[in-house]
Amino acid sequence: QKEVEQNSGPLSVPEGAIASLNCTYSDRGSQSFFWYRQYSGKSPELIMSIYSNGDKEDGRFTAQLNKASQYVSLLIRDSQPSDSATYLCAVNPSGATNKLIFGTGTLLAVQP
Amino acid sequence: DGGITQSPKYLFRKEGQNVTLSCEQNLNHDAMYWYRQDPGQGLRLIYYSQIVNDFQKGDIAEGYSVSREKKESFPLTVTSAQKNPTAFYLCASREAGGTEAFFGQGTRLTVV
Repeated sequence: QKEVEQNSGPLSVPEGAIASLNCTYSDRGSQSFFWYRQYSGKSPELIMSIYSNGDKEDGRFTAQLNKASQYVSLLIRDSQPSDSATYLCAVNPSGATNKLIFGTGTLLAVQP
Repeated sequence: DGGITQSPKYLFRKEGQNVTLSCEQNLNHDAMYWYRQDPGQGLRLIYYSQIVNDFQKGDIAEGYSVSREKKESFPLTVTSAQKNPTAFYLCASREAGGTEAFFGQGTRLTVV
């Protein structure tokens, strides 16, 4: 079982719709969770971080964390063509605070 | 400006040669990381360091070596033992304790 799993996609949504990206993780004791966006050929940039159960909103982005079910999701409201990118989920496993593990990423395509 | 600098941006290596990728940060971060990314794939952890003169293997450390003699610097050497080194290499750093990581612009290594 991979430590962090994501559907590779592509996830295709029309412009203006809500894009929902999901991530599951295997280490129940994980404490810190991050969503990064990566454009083709570029380095990842942080979108959201979340540390406790529930929702965290920042502009058009909402991160949701459910530790009991071991998943974290990212919602993008009013999706724009400029949101088309690969979205990477990252997790700090328990017992190794400074280790940071990434999923394989989900490719999002927003259709104009 | 504070940030993470990777050099060179592009690197070509002949088979059987060792090469060293540079990563420097002036963010005063304790933890530093090296990841490898293959086309269409996520980030795989090679090595990480939590403090000067200390580092841990990630999931794919074979054929790579690192050093952390200074807080600001975390060079990665790709040795001839790495059989398939062509990839995009990303360096990251962050404060200790599980905060978000920041990435350099990456080095694209090609074996010719």
